Amino acid sequence: DAGVIQSPRHEVTEMGQEVTLRCKPISGHDYLFWYRQTMMRGLELLIYFNNNVPIDDSGMPEDRFSAKMPNASFSTLKIQPSEPRDSAVYFCASRTVAGGYYNEQFFGPGTRLTVL
Amino acid sequence: AQSVAQPEDQVNVAEGNPLTVKCTYSVSGNPYLFWYVQYPNRGLQFLLKYITGDNLVKGSYGFEAEFNKSQTSFHLKKPSALVSDSALYFCAVRDGNTGGFKTIFGAGTRLFVKA
Repeated sequence: DAGVIQSPRHEVTEMGQEVTLRCKPISGHDYLFWYRQTMMRGLELLIYFNNNVPIDDSGMPEDRFSAKMPNASFSTLKIQPSEPRDSAVYFCASRTVAGGYYNEQFFGPGTRLTVL
Repeated sequence: AQSVAQPEDQVNVAEGNPLTVKCTYSVSGNPYLFWYVQYPNRGLQFLLKYITGDNLVKGSYGFEAEFNKSQTSFHLKKPSALVSDSALYFCAVRDGNTGGFKTIFGAGTRLFVKA
């Protein structure tokens, strides 16, 4: 398996533009997580899905952020409109519960977002 | 509520010396505990986990961690550090009694191994 795939790896955009980040989880994984990492705030959980259904979006900073998972192999995180304070590295991770609820998460390489 | 603390922002150690990266946790039920490592410009990678059983857990790259229930700690250790171990290390906890839906990550500890 290729692991968790994220695209793009780097994104530079101007304030006010729409940004869409993409994630392909590991095949067969039941859970998908979106995280944001910054120097100031560390690693923050934004939202997670179970079997394509959003379970907890309490970490989404504001209404400008939205996430979807239309099928088991694809998820998007959208920011509209983007602001400079959204600049961060965004990680997608997936996990399976096969064998137990104590399985680890597998992280993608991240998308480094810079909003000018 | 679950929480995890990594009291040191940075740990410095000489190559060949033993290293310890500290972690304490708080959960209401039985803890599932994890260590992840992040190398520059990479995603987090799983190192090891404690679920139940033996308090000493062995993981990847020669790392191990000791679960201490009375001290609610799960410190990461390695007998002999390598320069290539220099990275950012995250401790994480999940409450096993709630079905393990959400994992809480610590702030991370940067390990610097000097040659």
